Amino acid sequence: DIQMTQSPASLSASLGETVTIECRASEDIYNGLAWYQQKPGKSPQLLIYNANSLHTGVPSRFSGSGSGTQYSLKINSLQSEDVASYFCQQYYDYPYTFGAGTKLELK
Amino acid sequence: EVKLVESGGGLVQPGRSLKLSCAASGFSFNDYWMGWVRQAPGKGLEWIGEINQDSSTINYTPSLKDKFTISRDNAQNTLYLQMSKLGSEDTAIYYCASVSVHYVMDAWGQGASVTVSS
Repeated sequence: DIQMTQSPASLSASLGETVTIECRASEDIYNGLAWYQQKPGKSPQLLIYNANSLHTGVPSRFSGSGSGTQYSLKINSLQSEDVASYFCQQYYDYPYTFGAGTKLELK
Repeated sequence: EVKLVESGGGLVQPGRSLKLSCAASGFSFNDYWMGWVRQAPGKGLEWIGEINQDSSTINYTPSLKDKFTISRDNAQNTLYLQMSKLGSEDTAIYYCASVSVHYVMDAWGQGASVTVSS
């Protein structure tokens, strides 16, 4: 199975700040990488697919980048509604696997 | 509007079985792969598996392959997850999701809570 190592596990940032979350795959996943946002008590929601494609309706302050085994999610100008947990997922090979998640809080 | 509604969760004794359902509406159900993901209390997401449009291909995470069975009824626009030999480690919220043409889960249900306890 492909292991996804996500960092940091938690993050505290101020409104308006830029935040970056990293995800490393145990092997090349050829951009088969998605990012999900999960707000407390809610279902996960797709943010990014194919490493850098923004899902419909997702604000443009979210962006994804990376290649090979290293990927990142960037949130520009942090808003209060961005407080959530974020998960990466590889879908290059079965079984699909998620990172452990990053909990983002406001400072 | 895409809507996915899970049902069938609840309290179940260890060793017993339980079947979850996911009713889909707002899209052409039989044109899409569908999948299940679970989340143990306070933990991360675990991909369970996915089924293709005509049920000819079903992929599972290996550790659950002998316990869980994914199926679908396209006439009823419903996805199922049959769970057997349940243990405390299976206590979780179970989400169904539709899989987009980009192979990612782009719409999720609200989740069904399953608690395995005597």
